[in-house]
Amino acid sequence: LAKTTQPISMDSYEGQEVNITCSHNNIATNDYITWYQQFPSQGPRFIIQGYKTKVTNEVASLFIPADRKSSTLSLPRVSLSDTAVYYCLVGGRTGGFKTIFGAGTRLFVKA
Amino acid sequence: GAVVSQHPSWVICKSGTSVKIECRSLDFQATTMFWYRQFPKQSLMLMATSNEGSKATYEQGVEKDKFLINHASLTLSTLTVTSAHPEDSSFYICSARDPEWDRSLNQPQHFGDGTRLSIL
Repeated sequence: LAKTTQPISMDSYEGQEVNITCSHNNIATNDYITWYQQFPSQGPRFIIQGYKTKVTNEVASLFIPADRKSSTLSLPRVSLSDTAVYYCLVGGRTGGFKTIFGAGTRLFVKA
Repeated sequence: GAVVSQHPSWVICKSGTSVKIECRSLDFQATTMFWYRQFPKQSLMLMATSNEGSKATYEQGVEKDKFLINHASLTLSTLTVTSAHPEDSSFYICSARDPEWDRSLNQPQHFGDGTRLSIL
């Protein structure tokens, strides 16, 4: 399973765009990149998933370069409620969908 | 859709007690569920993969006799912490894949809201 590396923490202000980058140099051909959000004392919540290029949904965008060795989660106009830990995971069918969590990025949004 | 429910959400018990945690997929069938443990300020650590109708697959370092996993149906997996001790106190989280949830994606996992276990 590919190991992921993210910044340990980030600070931002309300209304700003936040970009969190994840490195996954050993990503396999069939692996997908999935991002989750976790609040204290709750299970992780799915945000977005992608394989290559750009994916956008109602809450975030995911940018994946051609070599797929990294990915960037973009959160537009964050609010205080976006303060959470964000995890980047890499995996897929080949690995039995097993996912290994890295340390995650603790995002703190200030007023 | 794709809701995973855990029960109980919080349990306190005495040392030496065995505790069972349930993980249910409410609106889909899950042949595979995963169990994680999370200590304060740390990331989730995968403990085992629960397979319906067969034995669970445990990660290295996880005692299978300590953490008994049963996946008897397509909607229920249970984790039993046997003879629990204070060092077993943690936040236990399960997840499941829904093969029918947005076939355009690679079947991301859906997580329960966790069970906080406190052993006195």
